[in-house]
Amino acid sequence: AQTVTQSQPEMSVQEAETVTLSCTYDTSENNYYLFWYKQPPSRQMILVIRQEAYKQQNATENRFSVNFQKAAKSFSLKISDSQLGDTAMYFCAFNTGTASKLTFGTGTRLQVTL
Amino acid sequence: DGGITQSPKYLFRKEGQNVTLSCEQNLNHDAMYWYRQDPGQGLRLIYYSQIVNDFQKGDIAEGYSVSREKKESFPLTVTSAQKNPTAFYLCASSKTPGQVVATNEKLFFGSGTQLSVL
Repeated sequence: AQTVTQSQPEMSVQEAETVTLSCTYDTSENNYYLFWYKQPPSRQMILVIRQEAYKQQNATENRFSVNFQKAAKSFSLKISDSQLGDTAMYFCAFNTGTASKLTFGTGTRLQVTL
Repeated sequence: DGGITQSPKYLFRKEGQNVTLSCEQNLNHDAMYWYRQDPGQGLRLIYYSQIVNDFQKGDIAEGYSVSREKKESFPLTVTSAQKNPTAFYLCASSKTPGQVVATNEKLFFGSGTQLSVL
């Protein structure tokens, strides 16, 4: 079975600081995709960043970057220069290439403070 | 603007009653999905459809039913057999059913429906 684990239920960071959210996963597949989704208080799901397992280079989207460690099955999200608008639930998700089979972690609630 | 519309935003169900959640998309996407979100948990897949007139069960299909008579629409019925229906329900769609082949392929989500039991 494929599982996704987010061990940090809640985190807090000050504005302009950097924060890292952790995610580990378990799979026997070799080709798969990893995602970070953001869910703000509006509850809209927003794709933040994605990583293809066959790519060694870590994905980057503006202030968001990942640290993908395939051997350790780890996929952490780093948010630089945190902004108040980053306050949200963050979900790590995984699939093996079929979009219908996204497996989500339990989420990390991030609070950005002044 | 293209997008996914879910209605209603809030829905209340009486015991023994079936209720239907609406999901409409104008993105011309082939695949549509229903997820359930409970507090402290991630999203779990209920049903998905990769083409009109066809759909498959997800991980937690018991107590739910769907139809896909039109490409744009994928309604979810929460039946009386679902004993714990209180949750936030999210509909999503993607252009390509089956394998994700494009680097920009992703799921588009609606704004959700909160279902509560009276």
